[in-house]
Amino acid sequence: KAGVTQTPRYLIKTRGQQVTLSCSPISGHRSVSWYQQTPGQGLQFLFEYFSETQRNKGNFPGRFSGRQFSNSRSEMNVSTLELGDSALYLCASSSLTGGPYEQYFGPGTRLTVT
Amino acid sequence: QKEVEQNSGPLSVPEGAIASLNCTYSDRGSQSFFWYRQYSGKSPELIMFIYSNGDKEDGRFTAQLNKASQYVSLLIRDSQPSDSATYLCALNSGNTPLVFGKGTRLSVIA
Repeated sequence: KAGVTQTPRYLIKTRGQQVTLSCSPISGHRSVSWYQQTPGQGLQFLFEYFSETQRNKGNFPGRFSGRQFSNSRSEMNVSTLELGDSALYLCASSSLTGGPYEQYFGPGTRLTVT
Repeated sequence: QKEVEQNSGPLSVPEGAIASLNCTYSDRGSQSFFWYRQYSGKSPELIMFIYSNGDKEDGRFTAQLNKASQYVSLLIRDSQPSDSATYLCALNSGNTPLVFGKGTRLSVIA
């Protein structure tokens, strides 16, 4: 089974621009979660989508948004980029079929804002 | 506010020794506990999870959970240089989002 894929892997943007990141979950997984990872703050939860609906949301400003499509693929968008948005953005998929909530991560998108 | 505490390390152990990684948490309602391994420049990889008090073994890895003490640990037996990585502890309740600790950096010295 193919793992979680994320595109692009690397991105350089300037302040004020916007960016869209994409995530394709493991086949059959319907839950996609997004995380931001920085050296200082560690892994921080952004939001989770399940069956095209946002199920949970973290404490990030409204500049961060996401969506999920009917094939479970998900995108996240960051508008009006700030220098502090430079981070590794990770998505993780889960089957949510009951039992412990195992999440499997993609390789991440390294975003650099200059 | 759920908090997950891990010693940032680095924890240095000689090759062949047992590495012991610890994690404490604040939310008594936490039900499931996960250990992820993250190599430098890579994404986290799920090693194992545990949700019942006691020990759970998987190869060289053993997870230990003590809900009364709000403590979960990961033991790595016969540590190898390839085990050198950052180990992340995570937990949740039901299908709530995972809350991660900041990780412990493990260095296995050959």
